[in-house]
Amino acid sequence: EIVMTQSPLSLPVTPGEAASISCRSSQSLMDSNGYHYLEWYLQRPGQSPQLLIYLGSHRASGVPDRFSGSGSGTDFTLKISRVEAEDVGAYYCMQGLQTPFTFGPGTKVDIK
Amino acid sequence: EVQLLDSGGGLVRPGGSLRLSCAASGFTFSSNAMSWVRQAPGKGLEWVSAISGDGTSTYYADSVKGRFTISRDISKSTLYLQMNRLGVEDTAVYYCAKRYSCSDERCYGFDYWGQGTPVTVSS
Repeated sequence: EIVMTQSPLSLPVTPGEAASISCRSSQSLMDSNGYHYLEWYLQRPGQSPQLLIYLGSHRASGVPDRFSGSGSGTDFTLKISRVEAEDVGAYYCMQGLQTPFTFGPGTKVDIK
Repeated sequence: EVQLLDSGGGLVRPGGSLRLSCAASGFTFSSNAMSWVRQAPGKGLEWVSAISGDGTSTYYADSVKGRFTISRDISKSTLYLQMNRLGVEDTAVYYCAKRYSCSDERCYGFDYWGQGTPVTVSS
């Protein structure tokens, strides 16, 4: 099983400032075609999760361009260029390279 | 518009069974792999099970293997999760989720999620 870790686990942010979340996997998430099977989700309080990023860096439909994903191998980063109040919630990375799919423990983002 | 409607959750005694359903609409149901993901109270997300678009391939987390069965009825555009021998550790909100697309044999992105159905296992 691929183990996913995230840091920090809690992230107080100031609206308008940038924020960054790190995700690390216990083994490379790159397949033979060079794709990285790393996804990012945001779960706002009381809501179902929402896909933000797939294949490491591809923004999902409707996701604001202030969200970006990067990384390779075992190290990935989600960046929010300018945090807005609606970005509050729990952010999860997930590996989709092999079953069992595994999520990171989550990073709780709230407003300072 | 794509919609996933989860149902079937409830209160069940330890050792009991439940069948969850996820009614899908707005897309060609047989074209996309699907999964169940759960979230215990106050905890993070845990992937439970997946099924291929045509229903011929299924996958399970070790924690549910041998107790849960995922299936899909393409004629009804409905995903199911049959849960047997339930334990208190299975208490969670269960979400169905649609896989966005696939490259070769690997799919990626849960682009739509149901609203979740709560399952409580308690005596």
